[in-house]
Amino acid sequence: EAQVTQNPRYLITVTGKKLTVTCSQNMNHEYMSWYRQDPGLGLRQIYYSMNVEVTDKGDVPEGYKVSRKEKRNFPLILESPSPNQTSLYFCASSLVSGRDGLSGANVLTFGAGSRLTVL
Amino acid sequence: AQSVAQPEDQVNVAEGNPLTVKCTYSVSGNPYLFWYVQYPNRGLQFLLKYITGDNLVKGSYGFEAEFNKSQTSFHLKKPSALVSDSALYFCAVRDENYGGSQGNLIFGKGTKLSVKP
Repeated sequence: EAQVTQNPRYLITVTGKKLTVTCSQNMNHEYMSWYRQDPGLGLRQIYYSMNVEVTDKGDVPEGYKVSRKEKRNFPLILESPSPNQTSLYFCASSLVSGRDGLSGANVLTFGAGSRLTVL
Repeated sequence: AQSVAQPEDQVNVAEGNPLTVKCTYSVSGNPYLFWYVQYPNRGLQFLLKYITGDNLVKGSYGFEAEFNKSQTSFHLKKPSALVSDSALYFCAVRDENYGGSQGNLIFGKGTKLSVKP
């Protein structure tokens, strides 16, 4: 089954304790992205990657790191989590090159989400 | 700059009645427009998209959306709502000029649809 898998789904941690949220996709997608979802703010992009070893900042990158060493994996790293990073996190992926040549028209496939609480 | 607005935080509809979830956008070029749905404790799922062509786009679960260039809108509609349609709906836009960069897909804040029996 084509899917994006995130782990852990739920996590409670304390301020300053480094954590990693993993994301893996089995669709050979070039593009991967992390979003956070907060009430009243909708989805905001944290980081994205157009391909292996190519990453770029989204709208809210502060306090986060990412890496893209393999095409299928795109982990989100919180080096020193703080309470304002308590949120629902989503990983998503898509093709970059569109079959109809319209690369911007590709549909995102989302993971089920990771709910993070930082105390 | 790109932006997308969903003016209603919540829409309440009786089962069997038509529903509309509103979305307006702002881009400098031609837009690529999307609707996604989020059911409780799930990730977002794609519903439909407008790229070019017919202004009325049909998608999953009986939903459709109408692209209106003059009003810069892309409202989501369904002729007869079901209780199972209750979910959070997100509109998203990308400017075609940014087609080479997937990082410019902008999401609205979401509209909660509640369908009562």
